[in-house]
Amino acid sequence: DGGITQSPKYLFRKEGQNVTLSCEQNLNHDAMYWYRQDPGQGLRLIYYSQIVNDFQKGDIAEGYSVSREKKESFPLTVTSAQKNPTAFYLCASSWNTGELFFGEGSRLTVL
Amino acid sequence: GQNIDQPTEMTATEGAIVQINCTYQTSGFNGLFWYQQHAGEAPTFLSYNVLDGLEEKGRFSSFLSRSKGYSYLLLKELQMKDSASYLCAVRDQVRGSYIPTFGRGTSLIVHP
Repeated sequence: DGGITQSPKYLFRKEGQNVTLSCEQNLNHDAMYWYRQDPGQGLRLIYYSQIVNDFQKGDIAEGYSVSREKKESFPLTVTSAQKNPTAFYLCASSWNTGELFFGEGSRLTVL
Repeated sequence: GQNIDQPTEMTATEGAIVQINCTYQTSGFNGLFWYQQHAGEAPTFLSYNVLDGLEEKGRFSSFLSRSKGYSYLLLKELQMKDSASYLCAVRDQVRGSYIPTFGRGTSLIVHP
């Protein structure tokens, strides 16, 4: 079945560590996105990519990095520079003008 | 960029009808989405409007007025399982790309 898969579902990080969240899709979508959601908040855009080997900063890119080496994959690294990384992270994909399809999310907690 | 405004919380009774409003300001409008999100889960797509008017899909309908920068999601025959957060998202043109931006969401509580 086609879909979008995020892993891990839960992740704990010590302060000062980098962590990478995986996002894979087999929907043949061109566009992929990373959003962050804090309690009681909407989704805020971290990074997006419209095509392989190209990506753009969203509204809250500081402290994060991404790569888009393959169409199917858009991993997000949360670096130690991100001062408040505890959040629910959602990856999504779409045709460029279509609805977003979301993964199940990754919940990151900093210890 | 854009400014998207929705009520923070609404309550309604099982079997009733509820309307969730969304207002927005944007410079390059290219469609409005409504998503449903249950606690701890990913959002799921409900509706998409790009032209003015009403789109109906079962118990859910969505309306758009581009001139007023206004949309609403109408939920009929409410069920307990409709208790969730409802997210309004506007897609507009950013640096040549069409990117959806989300409002803060409306938490709907359905009680018996």
